[in-house]
Amino acid sequence: EAAVTQSPRNKVTVTGGNVTLSCRQTNSHNYMYWYRQDTGHGLRLIHYSYGAGNLQIGDVPDGYKATRTTQEDFFLLLELASPSQTSLYFCASSGGLGGRQNTLYFGAGTRLSVL
Amino acid sequence: TQTVSQSDAHVTVFEGDSVELRCNYSYGGSIYLSWYIQHHGHGLQFLLKYYSGNPVVQGVNGFEAEFSKSDSSFHLRKASVHWSDSAVYFCAVSGFSNYNVLYFGSGTKLTVEP
Repeated sequence: EAAVTQSPRNKVTVTGGNVTLSCRQTNSHNYMYWYRQDTGHGLRLIHYSYGAGNLQIGDVPDGYKATRTTQEDFFLLLELASPSQTSLYFCASSGGLGGRQNTLYFGAGTRLSVL
Repeated sequence: TQTVSQSDAHVTVFEGDSVELRCNYSYGGSIYLSWYIQHHGHGLQFLLKYYSGNPVVQGVNGFEAEFSKSDSSFHLRKASVHWSDSAVYFCAVSGFSNYNVLYFGSGTKLTVEP
């Protein structure tokens, strides 16, 4: 079973604050993703990566940076947090070879509140 | 541009009933379609996927889904639901050219009453 661990599970910050969300996967998957989940919108893709040092832009990248430091670790950075970024954030990974390999394995989520 | 529409935000049924959760997609090429389930307070978990062959695909826990190219649909069904099936269900689509990037619908919350 794929394991994706997110930290912290909950985070509260103030407008203009600096936040880093962390994600680690332990299954040697090539792809990692950051999604945000908001009522009425489902999951929206922020950034994704297909390997260490790689970064691809998703559908809602504004206000977010991301960095993939190793095969295992993918970080999401909010350098000037705004209330509109209050959301539930999910990290996911996948094997990336097509067929069954594009199945996503999700972490438990990080709930972020920007006051 | 690919879009996924789940027209029902909420569906309520009784235990033992059958249920169908609807998913329609818009995409201009060959695609992968999948369903994921999210129990309260947890991340999403994979249920099933279609990308070719038999349009009816079987998943875990008695779920199945049927692909229809003519209707641009991939509806999820279960013949007899259990209270533990209460969750939010998400449909997702990805294109053959970039199959690792999944686009999700807004989700359908299924409530199974005893």
